Amino acid sequence: DTAVSQTPKYLVTQMGNDKSIKCEQNLGHDTMYWYKQDSKKFLKIMFSYNNKELIINETVPNRFSPKSPDKAHLNLHINSLELGDSAVYFCASSQVLAGEQFFGPGTRLTVL
Amino acid sequence: GENVEQHPSTLSVQEGDSAVIKCTYSDSASNYFPWYKQELGKRPQLIIDIRSNVGEKKDQRIAVTLNKTAKHFSLHITETQPEDSAVYFCAASDGDKIIFGKGTRLHILP
Repeated sequence: DTAVSQTPKYLVTQMGNDKSIKCEQNLGHDTMYWYKQDSKKFLKIMFSYNNKELIINETVPNRFSPKSPDKAHLNLHINSLELGDSAVYFCASSQVLAGEQFFGPGTRLTVL
Repeated sequence: GENVEQHPSTLSVQEGDSAVIKCTYSDSASNYFPWYKQELGKRPQLIIDIRSNVGEKKDQRIAVTLNKTAKHFSLHITETQPEDSAVYFCAASDGDKIIFGKGTRLHILP
């Protein structure tokens, strides 16, 4: 009965590759998010997706693109991976926009 | 846009003592202020939150205070225990965007 799940848990890949991280929530929430947590533990919101409206943090490179096949899923696709993309990526959901965040377990991405 | 400052970045307290973490925000439209705890290798989880129509909220050993005039809010943990060791994040939301502070690493010393 996991509320917010992500796959994979770990992802190790070479520079220049394209990869995807999947996220699913079974809470019936309307809004989903992607966060990046770097080595200093800073939590930065990358995207929020609410009723088919995408809000993008302007600092996010366009190599990152969220894809939502339905309200319960928000996947993150990353093109042309760079060393600086190495981080832990958290998916989250909330019942209302910018409300209480329910985080997934995280995906540790390592770019070699 | 909203800016959330959190202090200190690291805090060490003796077991049994109290810990206080402070945050300030810039956008007066912010009306929801949650606190998250992230244990090592785990996901952030909500521990307490407060809305702008309330000045203080308490849940057992944890309390949060909000000063809307000064635009600051604080987390208070009393009678700290080893399991309180974690990174704590404050956040501020205006119902449209949620912004997190940079986190405080709390160490509970034996």
